[in-house]
Amino acid sequence: EAGVAQSPRYKIIEKRQSVAFWCNPISGHATLYWYQQILGQGPKLLIQFQNNGVVDDSQLPKDRFSAERLKGVDSTLKIQPAKLEDSAVYLCASSLGSGRYEQYFGPGTRLTVT
Amino acid sequence: AQSVTQPDIHITVSEGASLELRCNYSYGATPYLFWYVQSPGQGLQLLLKYFSGDTLVQGIKGFEAEFKRSQSSFNLRKPSVHWSDAAEYFCAVGTNDMRFGAGTRLTVKP
Repeated sequence: EAGVAQSPRYKIIEKRQSVAFWCNPISGHATLYWYQQILGQGPKLLIQFQNNGVVDDSQLPKDRFSAERLKGVDSTLKIQPAKLEDSAVYLCASSLGSGRYEQYFGPGTRLTVT
Repeated sequence: AQSVTQPDIHITVSEGASLELRCNYSYGATPYLFWYVQSPGQGLQLLLKYFSGDTLVQGIKGFEAEFKRSQSSFNLRKPSVHWSDAAEYFCAVGTNDMRFGAGTRLTVKP
């Protein structure tokens, strides 16, 4: 079974530029999560999708971050414009459903904002 | 509000020695608790989880954890550490809105 795929693996941009990350969850997984992991910290949930609907985006900085999951499969996370403090690893995870279902994590995208 | 505290930022143990990583949580109801491991450049892998029932939970790679409600703790243990166990370990609480601790980095000495 293929795991969660993410691209790119690494990205370096200058502040005020835009960037987009892509995630392909495990086939059949209805729930998709985006996390931000700043160096030295645990992952922080940014947004959760159930199929193509948003379940929770309370910690997403909506003035600069956006995410979509148009067909209930792949998802993109965008930052526009980026700030220095956005430097982090962005992790995508998927699960069969919400609640007690195990979340499977992708390898992440390491973003450096200079 | 739910939260997780991992008191130890970095732990070093010798190969073959026993290991215990601490985790304390704050949660309003019966918690769902998890331990994840993250190797450098990798995503997180679930080691074990607790939802209800037996408070001693067995996981993969020889790890186990014990849920102690009275102490609000969910400590991770392994009787004999292998060099390949060197990684970052995260405790997490919750369901949809999962909260992670800051992690404990494990170094294994030969």
